Amino acid sequence: DTGVSQNPRHKITKRGQNVTFRCDPISEHNRLYWYRQTLGQGPEFLTYFQNEAQLEKSRLLSDRFSAERPKGSFSTLEIQRTEQGDSAMYLCASSTVEGSPLHFGNGTRLTVT
Amino acid sequence: AQSVAQPEDQVNVAEGNPLTVKCTYSVSGNPYLFWYVQYPNRGLQFLLKYITGDNLVKGSYGFEAEFNKSQTSFHLKKPSALVSDSALYFCAPGGYQKVTFGTGTKLQVIP
Repeated sequence: DTGVSQNPRHKITKRGQNVTFRCDPISEHNRLYWYRQTLGQGPEFLTYFQNEAQLEKSRLLSDRFSAERPKGSFSTLEIQRTEQGDSAMYLCASSTVEGSPLHFGNGTRLTVT
Repeated sequence: AQSVAQPEDQVNVAEGNPLTVKCTYSVSGNPYLFWYVQYPNRGLQFLLKYITGDNLVKGSYGFEAEFNKSQTSFHLKKPSALVSDSALYFCAPGGYQKVTFGTGTKLQVIP
């Protein structure tokens, strides 16, 4: 069990630029989640995959956000035309079956200047 | 739909005293309930979960939680707090797919 890996750890970008984050889940985990966390708040659900299928996406997510998991293994989260309000920690988690605990990566901290 | 409330932003407790971190939830159907802990500059770590069975669930680092269906509560407890328990604690009800996190309770254990 090598854990959930997220890259990069930190990303600083200028407003209006596009950014992409990568998540590598634990290898036998077929469920993958993306969350966003701002300082002093709990993780906010963004989207969920089971294998390669994106089964749920938060209504809070604007059209500027997109996530993929093309082969049911790693996942990418892209933010287009970044805004200062997008500055946050982006967390990825994976799990096995329904009701099993989520295993979190250390996150990607995004700063939009 | 599912929701969760952690009514205390911060809980202070003296080292060696028992601690309780409160959580109430709303979930359709039978709930999966989790507690996670987040240490400074670290990722979230799973502490314990309730799915079915005994209402008192034991987890990592000596923590336990009591499921109360009538009060829709899932309070986190520990008989004797350690300074190293100081962290941010999240209650998280889960349904078939997504897991919803509370706003968190900062636990401060005072030496």
